[in-house]
Amino acid sequence: AQSVTQLDSQVPVFEEAPVELRCNYSSSVSVYLFWYVQYPNQGLQLLLKYLSGSTLVKGINGFEAEFNKSQTSFHLRKPSVHISDTAEYFCAVSKAAGNKLTFGGGTRVLVKP
Amino acid sequence: DVKVTQSSRYLVKRTGEKVFLECVQDMDHENMFWYRQDPGLGLRLIYFSYDVKMKEKGDIPEGYSVSREKKERFSLILESASTNQTSMYLCASSFRTGSETQYFGPGTRLLVL
Repeated sequence: AQSVTQLDSQVPVFEEAPVELRCNYSSSVSVYLFWYVQYPNQGLQLLLKYLSGSTLVKGINGFEAEFNKSQTSFHLRKPSVHISDTAEYFCAVSKAAGNKLTFGGGTRVLVKP
Repeated sequence: DVKVTQSSRYLVKRTGEKVFLECVQDMDHENMFWYRQDPGLGLRLIYFSYDVKMKEKGDIPEGYSVSREKKERFSLILESASTNQTSMYLCASSFRTGSETQYFGPGTRLLVL
Protein backbone atom coordinates (compact mmCIF):
# COMPACT_ATOMS: atom_id res chain seq x y z
CA ALA A 1 0.00 0.00 0.00
CA GLN A 2 1.11 3.55 -0.60
CA SER A 3 1.23 6.39 1.91
CA VAL A 4 1.77 10.14 1.75
CA THR A 5 3.33 12.39 4.38
CA GLN A 6 3.04 16.15 4.31
CA LEU A 7 5.69 17.33 6.68
CA ASP A 8 4.14 20.67 7.64
CA SER A 9 0.59 20.98 8.89
CA GLN A 10 0.65 24.80 8.75
CA VAL A 11 2.83 27.26 6.88
CA PRO A 12 2.49 31.00 7.57
CA VAL A 13 4.08 33.16 4.89
CA PHE A 14 4.16 36.85 4.04
CA GLU A 15 2.71 38.12 0.79
CA GLU A 16 5.20 38.12 -2.10
CA ALA A 17 7.52 35.71 -0.27
CA PRO A 18 8.30 32.25 -1.67
CA VAL A 19 6.72 29.12 -0.25
CA GLU A 20 7.59 25.42 -0.37
CA LEU A 21 5.24 22.67 0.77
CA ARG A 22 6.89 19.31 1.38
CA CYS A 23 5.46 15.96 0.38
CA ASN A 24 7.01 12.50 0.70
CA TYR A 25 5.43 9.26 -0.40
CA SER A 26 6.09 5.57 -0.11
CA SER A 27 5.11 2.96 -2.66
CA SER A 28 6.54 -0.28 -3.97
CA VAL A 29 5.17 0.34 -7.48
CA SER A 30 5.17 3.14 -10.04
CA VAL A 31 2.93 6.01 -9.05
CA TYR A 32 1.29 9.17 -10.31
CA LEU A 33 1.56 12.25 -8.08
CA PHE A 34 -0.88 15.10 -7.60
CA TRP A 35 -1.27 18.38 -5.74
CA TYR A 36 -4.79 19.62 -5.01
CA VAL A 37 -5.86 22.90 -3.41
CA GLN A 38 -8.93 23.56 -1.28
CA TYR A 39 -9.98 27.20 -0.90
CA PRO A 40 -12.19 28.04 2.11
CA ASN A 41 -15.64 26.46 1.91
CA GLN A 42 -14.94 24.78 -1.43
CA GLY A 43 -14.12 21.35 -2.77
CA LEU A 44 -10.67 20.40 -4.00
CA GLN A 45 -9.29 21.35 -7.39
CA LEU A 46 -6.21 20.13 -9.20
CA LEU A 47 -3.09 22.31 -9.13
CA LEU A 48 -0.81 19.98 -11.06
CA LYS A 49 0.12 16.35 -11.59
CA TYR A 50 3.14 14.25 -12.50
CA LEU A 51 2.58 11.24 -14.74
CA SER A 52 5.93 10.77 -16.50
CA GLY A 53 8.63 12.66 -18.37
CA SER A 54 10.12 15.92 -17.10
CA THR A 55 10.44 15.91 -13.34
CA LEU A 56 9.54 19.60 -13.07
CA VAL A 57 5.82 20.09 -13.44
CA LYS A 58 4.13 23.45 -13.85
CA GLY A 59 0.58 23.99 -12.70
CA ILE A 60 -2.03 26.68 -12.38
CA ASN A 61 -1.62 29.98 -10.51
CA GLY A 62 2.19 29.97 -10.77
CA PHE A 63 2.77 26.77 -8.78
CA GLU A 64 5.31 24.13 -9.74
CA ALA A 65 6.47 20.84 -8.24
CA GLU A 66 9.51 18.64 -8.66
CA PHE A 67 9.40 14.86 -8.64
CA ASN A 68 12.45 13.28 -7.02
CA LYS A 69 12.34 9.52 -7.36
CA SER A 70 15.43 8.80 -5.25
CA GLN A 71 14.05 10.82 -2.34
CA THR A 72 10.43 9.80 -3.03
CA SER A 73 9.39 13.43 -2.79
CA PHE A 74 7.11 15.77 -4.70
CA HIS A 75 7.53 19.23 -3.15
CA LEU A 76 5.35 22.14 -4.25
CA ARG A 77 6.74 25.65 -4.70
CA LYS A 78 5.65 29.14 -5.62
CA PRO A 79 8.19 31.97 -5.93
CA SER A 80 5.85 34.74 -4.78
CA VAL A 81 2.55 34.15 -3.00
CA HIS A 82 -0.60 36.28 -2.95
CA ILE A 83 -3.25 36.67 -0.29
CA SER A 84 -5.52 34.60 -2.53
CA ASP A 85 -3.20 31.60 -2.12
CA THR A 86 -4.46 31.17 1.44
CA ALA A 87 -5.87 27.65 1.32
CA GLU A 88 -5.23 24.04 2.29
CA TYR A 89 -2.99 22.02 -0.02
CA PHE A 90 -3.09 18.26 -0.39
CA CYS A 91 -0.52 15.96 -1.91
CA ALA A 92 -1.86 12.67 -3.30
CA VAL A 93 -0.57 9.53 -4.99
CA SER A 94 -2.16 6.83 -7.11
CA LYS A 95 -0.74 3.59 -8.41
CA ALA A 96 0.01 3.77 -12.10
CA ALA A 97 -2.13 0.67 -12.57
CA GLY A 98 -4.92 1.75 -10.24
CA ASN A 99 -7.56 4.45 -9.99
CA LYS A 100 -7.66 5.37 -6.29
CA LEU A 101 -5.92 8.32 -4.65
CA THR A 102 -4.18 8.27 -1.28
CA PHE A 103 -3.97 11.73 0.27
CA GLY A 104 -1.59 13.32 2.72
CA GLY A 105 -2.84 15.09 5.83
CA GLY A 106 -2.83 18.52 4.18
CA THR A 107 -0.88 21.75 4.71
CA ARG A 108 -2.67 24.96 5.61
CA VAL A 109 -1.05 28.01 4.03
CA LEU A 110 -1.85 31.37 5.58
CA VAL A 111 -0.59 34.32 3.57
CA LYS A 112 -0.16 37.46 5.65
CA PRO A 113 -0.08 41.02 4.27
CA ASP B 1 -16.76 22.74 -17.13
CA VAL B 2 -17.07 19.56 -15.11
CA LYS B 3 -19.67 19.85 -12.46
CA VAL B 4 -20.03 17.66 -9.38
CA THR B 5 -22.92 18.59 -7.13
CA GLN B 6 -23.82 17.36 -3.67
CA SER B 7 -27.36 17.45 -2.34
CA SER B 8 -26.66 19.44 0.83
CA ARG B 9 -23.92 21.78 2.07
CA TYR B 10 -24.87 21.36 5.72
CA LEU B 11 -26.80 18.61 7.47
CA VAL B 12 -27.73 18.02 11.11
CA LYS B 13 -28.94 14.57 12.13
CA ARG B 14 -29.57 12.69 15.34
CA THR B 15 -27.78 9.54 16.49
CA GLY B 16 -29.40 6.45 15.01
CA GLU B 17 -30.96 8.21 12.02
CA LYS B 18 -30.46 6.88 8.49
CA VAL B 19 -28.67 9.51 6.40
CA PHE B 20 -28.45 9.79 2.62
CA LEU B 21 -25.84 11.92 0.88
CA GLU B 22 -26.31 12.34 -2.86
CA CYS B 23 -23.75 13.19 -5.50
CA VAL B 24 -24.33 13.90 -9.20
CA GLN B 25 -21.75 14.46 -11.95
CA ASP B 26 -22.39 15.66 -15.48
CA MET B 27 -19.23 14.49 -17.30
CA ASP B 28 -20.07 10.84 -18.03
CA HIS B 29 -17.25 9.73 -15.69
CA GLU B 30 -16.93 6.02 -14.98
CA ASN B 31 -15.43 6.47 -11.50
CA MET B 32 -17.11 8.07 -8.52
CA PHE B 33 -15.72 8.36 -4.99
CA TRP B 34 -16.82 9.23 -1.49
CA TYR B 35 -14.24 10.67 0.91
CA ARG B 36 -14.34 11.81 4.48
CA GLN B 37 -12.24 14.86 5.43
CA ASP B 38 -11.10 15.39 9.03
CA PRO B 39 -8.53 17.93 10.29
CA GLY B 40 -4.99 16.56 10.20
CA LEU B 41 -6.08 13.33 8.52
CA GLY B 42 -6.55 14.65 5.00
CA LEU B 43 -9.09 12.82 2.86
CA ARG B 44 -9.82 9.17 3.48
CA LEU B 45 -11.61 7.03 0.92
CA ILE B 46 -14.86 5.46 2.13
CA TYR B 47 -16.09 3.75 -1.06
CA PHE B 48 -15.67 4.09 -4.76
CA SER B 49 -17.55 2.88 -7.81
CA TYR B 50 -16.04 2.17 -11.22
CA ASP B 51 -19.32 1.44 -13.02
CA VAL B 52 -23.07 1.30 -12.48
CA LYS B 53 -23.94 -1.14 -9.67
CA MET B 54 -20.20 -1.78 -9.07
CA LYS B 55 -18.49 -0.71 -5.86
CA GLU B 56 -15.34 -1.30 -3.88
CA LYS B 57 -14.54 -0.61 -0.25
CA GLY B 58 -12.05 2.11 0.46
CA ASP B 59 -9.96 2.57 3.57
CA ILE B 60 -12.78 3.29 6.06
CA PRO B 61 -16.03 1.62 4.89
CA GLU B 62 -17.33 0.61 8.32
CA GLY B 63 -20.72 2.16 9.11
CA TYR B 64 -21.30 3.24 5.50
CA SER B 65 -22.86 1.80 2.37
CA VAL B 66 -23.24 3.13 -1.17
CA SER B 67 -25.56 2.87 -4.14
CA ARG B 68 -24.94 3.55 -7.82
CA GLU B 69 -28.03 2.84 -9.89
CA LYS B 70 -27.24 5.38 -12.63
CA LYS B 71 -23.87 6.40 -14.03
CA GLU B 72 -24.19 10.04 -12.99
CA ARG B 73 -25.38 9.48 -9.41
CA PHE B 74 -23.56 7.99 -6.40
CA SER B 75 -25.17 7.90 -2.97
CA LEU B 76 -23.54 7.45 0.42
CA ILE B 77 -25.70 5.95 3.15
CA LEU B 78 -25.12 6.05 6.88
CA GLU B 79 -27.34 3.22 8.08
CA SER B 80 -27.41 4.41 11.71
CA ALA B 81 -25.61 7.69 12.21
CA SER B 82 -23.22 8.00 15.12
CA THR B 83 -21.44 11.04 16.60
CA ASN B 84 -18.07 9.81 15.29
CA GLN B 85 -19.43 10.21 11.76
CA THR B 86 -19.59 13.98 12.23
CA SER B 87 -17.33 15.17 9.43
CA MET B 88 -17.01 16.78 6.01
CA TYR B 89 -17.97 14.43 3.18
CA LEU B 90 -16.60 15.01 -0.30
CA CYS B 91 -17.71 13.36 -3.52
CA ALA B 92 -15.49 13.15 -6.60
CA SER B 93 -15.59 11.70 -10.09
CA SER B 94 -13.08 10.87 -12.81
CA PHE B 95 -12.53 8.92 -15.97
CA ARG B 96 -11.37 5.35 -15.51
CA THR B 97 -7.58 5.34 -15.20
CA GLY B 98 -5.31 6.37 -12.31
CA SER B 99 -3.76 9.23 -14.28
CA GLU B 100 -7.05 11.05 -14.57
CA THR B 101 -7.88 14.13 -12.51
CA GLN B 102 -10.58 13.71 -9.90
CA TYR B 103 -13.19 16.46 -9.82
CA PHE B 104 -14.69 17.30 -6.46
CA GLY B 105 -18.01 18.54 -5.25
CA PRO B 106 -18.24 21.36 -2.66
CA GLY B 107 -18.71 18.97 0.25
CA THR B 108 -21.40 18.23 2.82
CA ARG B 109 -20.67 19.13 6.42
CA LEU B 110 -22.55 16.60 8.56
CA LEU B 111 -23.16 17.08 12.27
CA VAL B 112 -24.54 14.09 14.20
CA LEU B 113 -25.97 15.00 17.59
